Amino acid sequence: GAGVSQTPSNKVTEKGKYVELRCDPISGHTALYWYRQSLGQGPEFLIYFQGTGAADDSGLPNDRFFAVRPEGSVSTLKIQRTERGDSAVYLCASSLSLADEQYFGPGTRLTVT
Amino acid sequence: AQRVTQPEKLLSVFKGAPVELKCNYSYSGSPELFWYVQYSRQRLQLLLRHISRESIKGFTADLNKGETSFHLKKPFAQEEDSAMYYCALSTDSNYQLIWGAGTKLIIKP
Repeated sequence: GAGVSQTPSNKVTEKGKYVELRCDPISGHTALYWYRQSLGQGPEFLIYFQGTGAADDSGLPNDRFFAVRPEGSVSTLKIQRTERGDSAVYLCASSLSLADEQYFGPGTRLTVT
Repeated sequence: AQRVTQPEKLLSVFKGAPVELKCNYSYSGSPELFWYVQYSRQRLQLLLRHISRESIKGFTADLNKGETSFHLKKPFAQEEDSAMYYCALSTDSNYQLIWGAGTKLIIKP
């Protein structure tokens, strides 16, 4: 079946612009996670959802970052006033429920110029 | 704070040789430990988790709470094992994964 998909695969934006990154989880998966991975490092947790609600958003670096999952399926990560330091690969994962295996998407490579 | 350390950025071994990828963690509670693998141009995928105690693709890992380690081992490396390997931890209070920086494994023919 279809795995986790993320769009766009690549995004180049100018400093100060707003971006949205989309994640389509595996159908039926109630938990959804966002991570970001900078070059040469492991993924870093941002936020996870159980259903529509953000169960843990402790990894969001500041209030420029926000994520939603209004219908408990697709999620959008929103970044306002982008900075060069936001450049990274943003990874989405989903799992059947919390504590189950996380399945990862291919990531969105964000470059802020 | 919880932390995962993978001391080797790069590990290169010959085909047929044993492989050990090191992972150490710091967490005072009961962690759950994972190994994820990323093959070239593919997405991250779970290799194994300590609670399942399975052997996947010939790899095993034992949680050593005394040494706070979860090293990944394989007795005979194969060329298709070349990949990035990440060790990750989740705690008994939430489900976010805390990751090491990864080890790039190269299997030489």
